[in-house]
Amino acid sequence: NAGVTQTPKFQVLKTGQSMTLQCAQDMNHEYMSWYRQDPGMGLRLIHYSVGAGITDQGEVPNGYNVSRSTTEDFPLRLLSAAPSQTSVYFCASSSLGGPDQPQHFGDGTRLSIL
Amino acid sequence: SQKIEQNSEALNIQEGKTATLTCNYTNYSPAYLQWYRQDPGRGPVFLLLIRENEKEKRKERLKVTFDTTLKQSLFHITASQPADSATYLCALFLLFSGGYNKLIFGAGTRLAVHP
Repeated sequence: NAGVTQTPKFQVLKTGQSMTLQCAQDMNHEYMSWYRQDPGMGLRLIHYSVGAGITDQGEVPNGYNVSRSTTEDFPLRLLSAAPSQTSVYFCASSSLGGPDQPQHFGDGTRLSIL
Repeated sequence: SQKIEQNSEALNIQEGKTATLTCNYTNYSPAYLQWYRQDPGRGPVFLLLIRENEKEKRKERLKVTFDTTLKQSLFHITASQPADSATYLCALFLLFSGGYNKLIFGAGTRLAVHP
C-alpha cells in the first residue's frame, strides 16, 4: 500500500517559473490538503479539498492553485515562483472527510526558488 | 494572539528514561489534539489523538494528557529508546461554525535519546 505519494522529491526553480507538485493517494480518502513547512514554524495549510471537484483556501493560499478532478490526485500549482515560496511542501489525506481524523502525509517536496 | 508553543530547544535524555514533551496553546478551544512524529526528510506520522473530554490516552509506551483548563497537552514516552529520536509535533483541531474546520500545527520539539 503506497499511501500518499509526492513527486518530485526535490526541485529548484528560478523566480517567475511555474510548476506543479504532484500528490496521489491510494486509500480512497475524500479529504486532501497541502501544507508548507518552514524552519521554526508549524505546518501551514495552503489549500484543501473535501472531495473531487471541491477545493478551498487555507491559511496561506496566495501564489498557489489547486484542482481536484479525481479522488486520488490533488496537484498544487505555483503560478509564478517567488523566493518566499522556498519551503518543504507536504500533501496529506484523511478518511471520513475531516481534519479531525489522523492525517496521512507524503514525504514532501523540497522546493528552492532562486 | 492565537499560538501553539512547543519547546524549540531539543530535549536530550538517556535511554530508558521517560521523555516528556509539552504543547501549550493560547486563545484556542480545540475539540481534539493530535500528536505526530517526524523523522528527518520524511513526512509526519500520526501517533495519538485525544478529545477535549478525555484526560489521558495511552498507546504502548506513549501517553498523552490534555488539560483544557491549563491549555496544555503533555506527551510522554516511557522506557525511551534511541529509535524514539525524532521531532514530535502537536496539532489542534478547531471547529468553526459557518466555516471550515482546521488543524493547526505547532513547530515541534526535537527529542534525542542517547544510549
